[in-house]
Amino acid sequence: SQKIEQNSEALNIQEGKTATLTCNYTNYSPAYLQWYRQDPGRGPVFLLLIRENEKEKRKERLKVTFDTTLKQSLFHITASQPADSATYLCARGGFKTIFGAGTRLFVKA
Amino acid sequence: DTEVTQTPKHLVMGMTNKKSLKCEQHMGHRAMYWYKQKAKKPPELMFVYSYEKLSINESVPSRFSPECPNSSLLNLHLHALQPEDSALYLCASSHWDRERTDTQYFGPGTRLTVL
Repeated sequence: SQKIEQNSEALNIQEGKTATLTCNYTNYSPAYLQWYRQDPGRGPVFLLLIRENEKEKRKERLKVTFDTTLKQSLFHITASQPADSATYLCARGGFKTIFGAGTRLFVKA
Repeated sequence: DTEVTQTPKHLVMGMTNKKSLKCEQHMGHRAMYWYKQKAKKPPELMFVYSYEKLSINESVPSRFSPECPNSSLLNLHLHALQPEDSALYLCASSHWDRERTDTQYFGPGTRLTVL
């Protein structure tokens, strides 16, 4: 079956460092992947979409990469801040959006 | 206006009650979604409506009954729920994009507790 996997349940980093989150997919070849942020008790908020023919996409301090050879997308937050602490979800979009389990990021001041 | 609103924010109901969750958007989106999210788990798709018609039902038990009265409104009618149905219920909307790169806009959710 098609799977979206985020292997790190949680990630702790120091303020100012770069956080790197991983999303792997198996048994299919997505045309694109999406990344969302979710704060506790709130709905997910869309951050970035990257297509299979795009190696990298940036938005302010955020960067997403897509490696079709490794079947992997990496999500980077540079110069991280405590306000970046949240759960980050990778998703396969389309008719039936499937979310990965998410990675909870904790940024310490 | 890029907001999806959901009411109520919190709902406590008994197993014999009938209640409804409401969702509204005014972004002109023609696709609307219901998700269920348990603690520390990702959202799980329940239903998808496109152009006010039910497109996808992810084998959801009949005690959950969706309704899309018009392009801006989405309801979820609840009847004879079980305690394990307690969760955060999220509504989302998006354009119905041929390329299927639909960015979904989520509401804040309704926290449902079934006693």
